[in-house]
Amino acid sequence: SQQGEEDPQALSIQEGENATMNCSYKTSINNLQWYRQNSGRGLVHLILIRSNEREKHSGRLRVTLDTSKKSSSLLITASRAADTASYFCATAAQGAQKLVFGQGTRLTINP
Amino acid sequence: DGGITQSPKYLFRKEGQNVTLSCEQNLNHDAMYWYRQDPGQGLRLIYYSQIVNDFQKGDIAEGYSVSREKKESFPLTVTSAQKNPTAFYLCASSVTGGGNQPQHFGDGTRLSIL
Repeated sequence: SQQGEEDPQALSIQEGENATMNCSYKTSINNLQWYRQNSGRGLVHLILIRSNEREKHSGRLRVTLDTSKKSSSLLITASRAADTASYFCATAAQGAQKLVFGQGTRLTINP
Repeated sequence: DGGITQSPKYLFRKEGQNVTLSCEQNLNHDAMYWYRQDPGQGLRLIYYSQIVNDFQKGDIAEGYSVSREKKESFPLTVTSAQKNPTAFYLCASSVTGGGNQPQHFGDGTRLSIL
């Protein structure tokens, strides 16, 4: 399986600090996506980064992709209480018809 | 507003009973998906459909069935053959299939055993 694996499994920081989550995967991919899930809700798409891209930004979010290390990171800057959620990476292997999701990082922002 | 609607929000199943979870989208998306999420876990793919009247098994299809008779609708039936159905079920859609598009999710159905 080329399932993404997030690290750490849980992260607790103070409001205003930066949060970094990592995702590793096993096989060559077409793209890697990050999603957020608030408790008891569906997932919300955050960013899609393609295999030929190294970095993407969206507001306070920064995603990097290192295909040589088969890893990606999601950085949330100046965190807010509303950022408290679980964050998942999902990978689409080359030639595959589906996304494969990791187990997620549970992020808690303390006021 | 366009989106995905899942119903009901909570569902209880008795022993030997089949139950059907509804998923409707008005995004005009071709592809639709059903995932299962267990507590503290990621999503596992049950079934997916890239076009009307066609669907494929995902990683954990045993004990589940689907139909795709209309573009907007992709209902999931949890059959009595699924011995451990208690989970959070999520429906999603994307413009096309193939994993190269963002997926849009509904707010889920939580299924429990009575």
